Amino acid sequence: AQTVTQSQPEMSVQEAETVTLSCTYDTSESDYYLFWYKQPPSRQMILVIRQEAYKQQNATENRFSVNFQKAAKSFSLKISDSQLGDAAMYFCAYRSAAMEYGNKLVFGAGTILRVKS
Amino acid sequence: DVKVTQSSRYLVKRTGEKVFLECVQDMDHENMFWYRQDPGLGLRLIYFSYDVKMKEKGDIPEGYSVSREKKERFSLILESASTNQTSMYLCASRPGQIYNSPLHFGNGTRLTVT
Repeated sequence: AQTVTQSQPEMSVQEAETVTLSCTYDTSESDYYLFWYKQPPSRQMILVIRQEAYKQQNATENRFSVNFQKAAKSFSLKISDSQLGDAAMYFCAYRSAAMEYGNKLVFGAGTILRVKS
Repeated sequence: DVKVTQSSRYLVKRTGEKVFLECVQDMDHENMFWYRQDPGLGLRLIYFSYDVKMKEKGDIPEGYSVSREKKERFSLILESASTNQTSMYLCASRPGQIYNSPLHFGNGTRLTVT
């Protein structure tokens, strides 16, 4: 079974600084998708960024980028120029590309990000 | 924008009560999901459905059942609520054939069982 590990329960960053959230996963598959979700205090889960495992290029979305290391099974999220609105719980998630498992999204335990002004 | 609506934001029920959590999505998505969120455990899949009247157990289905009579609605049922079912419940949906599509979530229902 696939597992996702986020080893940092909490992180803090100064406004305008850069922070990296860690995520590792365990799988025997070669084709899969990885996601980072953000959950602010409003509780609405919002997709931050996604990565297809077959793509070598790291995904970027404005101030958010990932460092995808397939061999190391690592998928970290970098937030540049941190803003107060980035404060939230961040979840890393994995989904197999295999048909029989394709519907199941496996989540990590989450990392609380605090942004200091 | 996809809208996933959960009928209650907060719910307080007594032990032994039958509890219904309702979820409706407006984008004709084939797949719908119920997750529970607990501190330190992240989100865990309870049940999902890939079509009307179809359901599959997730990782923690014990004590729960689901119903999907219409495509847009997916209900989670606690047959006899227990205190260990106090949690945040999140509903989500996504299209069936687009495998890299993300989940779209509702705002969650925080259920307290006393």
